[in-house]
Amino acid sequence: DTGVSQDPRHKITKRGQNVTFRCDPISEHNRLYWYRQTLGQGPEFLTYFQNEAQLEKSRLLSDRFSAERPKGSFSTLEIQRTEQGDSAMYLCASSFGKRREVNTEAFFGQGTRLTVV
Amino acid sequence: AQSVSQHNHHVILSEAASLELGCNYSYGGTVNLFWYVQYPGQHLQLLLKYFSGDPLVKGIKGFEAEFIKSKFSFNLRKPSVQWSDTAEYFCAVSSFSGGYNKLIFGAGTRLAVHP
Repeated sequence: DTGVSQDPRHKITKRGQNVTFRCDPISEHNRLYWYRQTLGQGPEFLTYFQNEAQLEKSRLLSDRFSAERPKGSFSTLEIQRTEQGDSAMYLCASSFGKRREVNTEAFFGQGTRLTVV
Repeated sequence: AQSVSQHNHHVILSEAASLELGCNYSYGGTVNLFWYVQYPGQHLQLLLKYFSGDPLVKGIKGFEAEFIKSKFSFNLRKPSVQWSDTAEYFCAVSSFSGGYNKLIFGAGTRLAVHP
């Protein structure tokens, strides 16, 4: 499968623990996005990478959240000191776009479902 | 701030019935518009997109959507639904500011098609 892959698919953690998710975008896609989806809602934008540079972070991304994309390939999203409110589906998407090109299509992974108990 | 409103949270139809899902967005500038579908247990997939040109857009699996700029709407339609169309449908908008596609999604419409 050459689509966007995310690992793990499911994660159950105790409140206060740290968790890290991984996203492998489609090869050669230079843009990578993280979204969060809670029950009954559409995905909400968290952060955006152009290659290895993190160009935008949503206000939803508190200081307990950190995302990286070293070398502009895979990305990780870490949540420190998890809270029950962090329980959600975390989605990764990737696309290819030239500088300031906006007519591009984002491809989504299957997501990581986080449950904080 | 941009926002997307989907009028129906749950829709139940019989096979062969016609479908129209409403989507309205709020944004004063130029936008790109998308409909994504999420089948049970699967990832979000693009159904169709509007960037510019003909406001009537045709997508996969017989879906189409019409962009009406004056109404800030991008409704999704299908003349005859099938049981396999049972899924959740998301309307999304992105703007040109920032130089990339940051998608703003609606809350989704869950469609159930009965045989």
